[in-house]
Amino acid sequence: EVQLVESGGDFVQPGGSLRLSCAASGFTFSDFWMHWVRLTAGQGLEWVSRINTDGSDTIYADSLEGRFTISRDNSKNSLSLQMNSLRGDDTAVYYCARQAHTSGYGGFDLWGRGTLVSVSS
Amino acid sequence: YVLTQPPSVSVAPGQTATIPCGGNNIGSKIVHWYQRKPGQAPVLVVYDDKDRPSGTPERISGSNSGNTATLTISRVEAGDEADYFCQVWDNNSDHKWEFGGGTKLTVL
Repeated sequence: EVQLVESGGDFVQPGGSLRLSCAASGFTFSDFWMHWVRLTAGQGLEWVSRINTDGSDTIYADSLEGRFTISRDNSKNSLSLQMNSLRGDDTAVYYCARQAHTSGYGGFDLWGRGTLVSVSS
Repeated sequence: YVLTQPPSVSVAPGQTATIPCGGNNIGSKIVHWYQRKPGQAPVLVVYDDKDRPSGTPERISGSNSGNTATLTISRVEAGDEADYFCQVWDNNSDHKWEFGGGTKLTVL
């Protein structure tokens, strides 16, 4: 089955760190650019980060201010997001998503079910 | 790049729902639309302005021109009740992605 499954979400205090993972199956993971997207209660969907097929190129939303790092391990069909210096406004459901094509065409054609990150003291 | 959507749209069953997504010269960009139901992952329902993935009913269509992209749902059903988000790829040097704020479609 073609799917993405996130894990690693948790309750964490402000200033803490967390590492999210996304396990891919049913498709050739190394062929696709991958993203993290988050859903917040008040702001809706927010794009977080993108990584290219071999991990050599990454980009991030400006709002993250360098606190997050995206990475991938194609040998394990796995995507990760290291989150540091967490703040209350990072509270969200985090999704990993597959970009259909390396151009802007096609959108994000596969999403996981998400993992909840809650930042609170 | 800012995308603007109305927070909510309400429509009776069988009627047509129109969900706009406003952006500066959005007609020059590629727009995608996602449906998200509570507790579920977002699902791509329209890509490349107007194309439908397999599984999206023909009742759902998209268009994009000028400063507004539009998602249209004809013959609305109770099962269409969801949040709908537009998305564009900002194809300048940043190559980043933007989502609209989302529109809650309520079926009366």
